Amino acid sequence: EAQVTQNPRYLITVTGKKLTVTCSQNMNHEYMSWYRQDPGLGLRQIYYSMNVEVTDKGDVPEGYKVSRKEKRNFPLILESPSPNQTSLYFCASSPDAGLAGRNEQFFGPGTRLTVL
Amino acid sequence: AQKVTQAQTEISVVEKEDVTLDCVYETRDTTYYLFWYKQPPSGELVFLIRRNSFDEQNEISGRYSWNFQKSTSSFNFTITASQVVDSAVYFCALSEAYTGRRALTFGSGTRLQVQP
Repeated sequence: EAQVTQNPRYLITVTGKKLTVTCSQNMNHEYMSWYRQDPGLGLRQIYYSMNVEVTDKGDVPEGYKVSRKEKRNFPLILESPSPNQTSLYFCASSPDAGLAGRNEQFFGPGTRLTVL
Repeated sequence: AQKVTQAQTEISVVEKEDVTLDCVYETRDTTYYLFWYKQPPSGELVFLIRRNSFDEQNEISGRYSWNFQKSTSSFNFTITASQVVDSAVYFCALSEAYTGRRALTFGSGTRLQVQP
């Protein structure tokens, strides 16, 4: 089944404890992205990747890191989480990085993160 | 900068009523794509439709229909004969065609509650 998977789905942690949220897609998509969803703000892009080893900042990158060592995986790293990073996180992928904007983005199931 | 406004924060209707969710967007590009996503209580994002800026034809899919009007920069979504299963948060989103980021700019969402 074609899908985007995220782990963990739920996480409660404490301020300053490094964590990684994994994202994997099995559709051979070139483009991957991370969003965070906050009440009243919709979803906002954190980082994106056009292909392996190519990543760049989105609208709200502060406090996050990403890497794209393999096409299928795009982990989101919080080196020192803070309470303002409590949010619902979505990973997304899209087949064609060249045709910007045209393709539907496939979203993972979401990861609900709470930072105490 | 692009922007999507969903002025209706929450709508409550009784089953079988028709309901329209409003979406107004801003962009300086002439080529762009508009999307609607559904987020049911389980939290995942479900793709509903994509429309490009050159196609102003209205679209109907079962009980769902979309009205795209470039003159008013609107892309409204109507559910006919609403059902309890339509209860969800609905997001309108915009993607500009030639931006490298490929980011979707989301509205803040409209929560639809369909009462039995």
